[in-house]
Amino acid sequence: KAGVTQTPRYLIKTRGQQVTLSCSPISGHRSVSWYQQTPGQGLQFLFEYFSETQRNKGNFPGRFSGRQFSNSRSEMNVSTLELGDSALYLCASSLAWASSYEQYFGPGTRLTVT
Amino acid sequence: GENVEQHPSTLSVQEGDSAVIKCTYSDSASNYFPWYKQELGKGPQLIIDIRSNVGEKKDQRIAVTLNKTAKHFSLHITETQPEDSAVYFCAASRTDSWGKFQFGAGTQVVVTP
Repeated sequence: KAGVTQTPRYLIKTRGQQVTLSCSPISGHRSVSWYQQTPGQGLQFLFEYFSETQRNKGNFPGRFSGRQFSNSRSEMNVSTLELGDSALYLCASSLAWASSYEQYFGPGTRLTVT
Repeated sequence: GENVEQHPSTLSVQEGDSAVIKCTYSDSASNYFPWYKQELGKGPQLIIDIRSNVGEKKDQRIAVTLNKTAKHFSLHITETQPEDSAVYFCAASRTDSWGKFQFGAGTQVVVTP
C-alpha cells in the first residue's frame, strides 16, 4: 500500500505571497491532520479533516486554512506569508474508524519564506 | 490544554546498550500514546503505541510502558544498533480530540559503534 504523499517536497516563497500544499492520504484513510515542524516550536497541530469537515483546529492564525476533498485528499493554504512560516509542513492520515487511532506521516513539504 | 514533556533532549549510547526516553503528560483524559522515529529528511515514522487500558507493550527490541497514575510513559530500546540513531518523539492524544496529537520536544539518540 502506498504511503502518505505530499507535494511539492520543497518550496521557496517570498513574504506576502500565498502557498498551497497538497496531501494524499493512504488509500482508505479518511482523516488527514496537518502539523508544522520547526526547530524552536517542534511539532504543532494545525488542523484535522474528516469527510471534508474540519473537526479540530490548533492555535494558528486565520492565515492558515485547509480543506479536504471527497477522495480524502487535503490541501492547506497559507496566505500573506511571513518569515516565521518557514517550516516543514507534515500531513498525517488515519483510518479514523472504530478504535483505530494510528496516524501515519508523509515526508513533508519544506517551505522557505524569504 | 495538553502539555507533553520529554526527557532527555539528547541521548548518547554505546551500541548494544539500552536507551530509555521518558515523557509526562498533563491531561488525565489522554488515552492514546504513540512514539515516532524521525530520520533526517523524512517524516516521523510510527514505531510503537500504547493505549490507556494497557500498562506495557513490546515489539522486538522496543517496549513502551505507561503509568496512568503518575501520567508518564517511557520508550525502551534494547540492544541498540547504529540504525536506531534518530530523533524520537512521544505524543499524547484523547479520542474526543480526534487527529490532534500533542508532541514532546523530541530526543536525539546517537548510537556509537
